[in-house]
Amino acid sequence: GQNIDQPTEMTATEGAIVQINCTYQTSGFNGLFWYQQHAGEAPTFLSYNVLDGLEEKGRFSSFLSRSKGYSYLLLKELQMKDSASYLCAVELGDSNYQLIWGAGTKLIIKP
Amino acid sequence: AAGVIQSPRHLIKEKRETATLKCYPIPRHDTVYWYQQGPGQDPQFLISFYEKMQSDKGSIPDRFSAQQFSDYHSELNMSSLELGDSALYFCASSLAPSPRRAGELFFGEGSRLTVL
Repeated sequence: GQNIDQPTEMTATEGAIVQINCTYQTSGFNGLFWYQQHAGEAPTFLSYNVLDGLEEKGRFSSFLSRSKGYSYLLLKELQMKDSASYLCAVELGDSNYQLIWGAGTKLIIKP
Repeated sequence: AAGVIQSPRHLIKEKRETATLKCYPIPRHDTVYWYQQGPGQDPQFLISFYEKMQSDKGSIPDRFSAQQFSDYHSELNMSSLELGDSALYFCASSLAPSPRRAGELFFGEGSRLTVL
């Protein structure tokens, strides 16, 4: 079966740094996505990792270790608008285009 | 820039009725995905189309069907609706960078279906 684990909820302070972890055990792996989703809205793309290492994009960075089945999303200089759910999704590859989604991590930012 | 368009945004139906959701992908995107998201749950993949042909099937009930038309828009048809079908239905499109690669998904704003 396919399994993606993320913490259910995290709380952080405005201006601080937070790391959201994602571990996966899937039948295939082509890449890993991070999406941000505000309540009642569509997910929006944050990052896509294919190779091991850190990808930096402004205040957000994403890390991947394929051998460990592990990724994290790092958010710096947190702002109130960063309060959202962060979804980790694995691209299975092979013969399908399916993404396997984690349950999402609800991030609460406090002043 | 053009985004993924879904209609209707809100739909209220009664049990056992039929509903149809429409999705208009970003121009030149070759792949369309349908997702169902219940309250507080992660998006569940239903079905996808690549170049107007069904490319993959997820947890789509037999009561549901979907197709992609010659103009690349897609429709999700849901029959014999049940209370549990109440959810947000997202359509997403992508331009596959290579065969068997998903590429970045661009999501529509979703269609909220309420079954009474």
